[in-house]
Amino acid sequence: QAVLTQPPSASGAPGQRVTISCSGSSSNIGRNTLSWYQQLPGTAPKLLMYSNTQRPSGVPDRFSCSKSGTSASLAISGLQSEDEADYYCAAWDDSLSGPVFGGGTKLTVL
Amino acid sequence: QVQLQESGPGLVKPSETLSLTCTVSGGSISNFYWSWIRQPPGKGLEYIGYMYYTGSTNYNPSLKSRVTMSVDTSKNQISLKLSSVTAADTAVYYCARAGSAYGSDAFDIWGQGTMVSVSS
Repeated sequence: QAVLTQPPSASGAPGQRVTISCSGSSSNIGRNTLSWYQQLPGTAPKLLMYSNTQRPSGVPDRFSCSKSGTSASLAISGLQSEDEADYYCAAWDDSLSGPVFGGGTKLTVL
Repeated sequence: QVQLQESGPGLVKPSETLSLTCTVSGGSISNFYWSWIRQPPGKGLEYIGYMYYTGSTNYNPSLKSRVTMSVDTSKNQISLKLSSVTAADTAVYYCARAGSAYGSDAFDIWGQGTMVSVSS
């Protein structure tokens, strides 16, 4: 059972905008910064977003995220076929003194 | 360009100790946090622990009694030992770096992962 809660699946047509939610608690998202990871099929996860809203160099600005209280969301606009992947949120948890992950959301591009 | 490469046996017998090594190339181990994260087949990511280059460690409480991490700065390697393994420890094991400009809690570089199966 993952500490952070994500929907198991999401989908959208090419060109559409899709959002993926991530819910936690005051010991993790409510108090610490959030990061997001993209895992393409058969590959290692890749850092997609960090410090709640920042994109590493090379990540398209089609990806954005927001955080409010103990919840956050990742938005992908102008959906492309290559965005089909698993997406994970993560945050430091003060109670566990370590990072915790969401269960992952499988994004399907229709 | 910094790269991470995990290595170790792909098959471990139940009750034995899983031993993996992560070799860092193209950069230094110093000043970063080095983590082990695993992913059971078809499931999500689970944090195992991290080690700062100085040797200080932090382990997932659920695995703490079975985990030992160590660092060899002369070889640019981080090691993981997980004792008394069961089938539930079957997973792809990743090493990952944190502590870059992206923050101490963001894993910016990952190894390709190594699959470890626990079976007799």
